[in-house]
Amino acid sequence: DAGVTQSPTHLIKTRGQQVTLRCSPKSGHDTVSWYQQALGQGPQFIFQYYEEEERQRGNFPDRFSGHQFPNYSSELNVNALLLGDSALYLCASSLRTFRGNYGYTFGSGTRLTVV
Amino acid sequence: SQQGEEDPQALSIQEGENATMNCSYKTSINNLQWYRQNSGRGLVHLILIRSNEREKHSGRLRVTLDTSKKSSSLLITASRAADTASYFCATDAYTSGTYKYIFGTGTRLKVLA
Repeated sequence: DAGVTQSPTHLIKTRGQQVTLRCSPKSGHDTVSWYQQALGQGPQFIFQYYEEEERQRGNFPDRFSGHQFPNYSSELNVNALLLGDSALYLCASSLRTFRGNYGYTFGSGTRLTVV
Repeated sequence: SQQGEEDPQALSIQEGENATMNCSYKTSINNLQWYRQNSGRGLVHLILIRSNEREKHSGRLRVTLDTSKKSSSLLITASRAADTASYFCATDAYTSGTYKYIFGTGTRLKVLA
C-alpha cells in the first residue's frame, strides 16, 4: 500500500522562474493539503484540495496555485519564484469523511532551492 | 501563522532519560496531534488526542491535554538515540466543510548515546 508520493525530491530554480511540484495521495485518500516548511520552522499551511477544488487557503500570495485531478493527485505551482520561496514543500493526504480524526499521511517532501 | 507553540525549542538528553515537550495553542480544538520529523523529511503521525480526552498512551509515548489551559504535553519515556528528531504538535481547524491542521514551531530533541 503506497503512501504519499512526492516528486521531484530536490529542485533548484532561478529567481523569477516557475515551478510545479507533484503529489500522489495515499490509496483511498481524497483530500490533499500542501505545506511550506522553512528551515527550522514548523510547516505552514498553503492550501487544501478536495473534489478538485481549493477548499481552504493559508496566508500565501496568488503566486501559489494548485490543482487536483480526478484521480486525487495534486500539483502545486509557484510563479515568479523568490529567494524566500526556498523551503521544504510537504504534501499530506487524508480522507474527508474521517473528519480530521485520523491525522495526515505526509510525503517525504520536495526540497526547493531558489538561487 | 502558527497555532501552536512548542516548548522548549530544543532539548538534549542522555539515552534512557525521559523527554517532555509542551505545546500551547490559541483556539478551541476538536483534537490535537503530535508528529515527528527526522532530518527535515516528511512528518510521521505519532498520536492523536481528542478534546474530551485528558491522557493517552502509545508505547513509550504519553500525551496529556488540558483544554482549560489550551496546552498539551508529550512525554517520551526511556529515550533512545533513534528518538532524535523534531516534534510538532498540530491542532485542527474546521472551515468550509474540511479539516486542516495547523502546526506549531517544534521541539528539536537530541538523545545522546
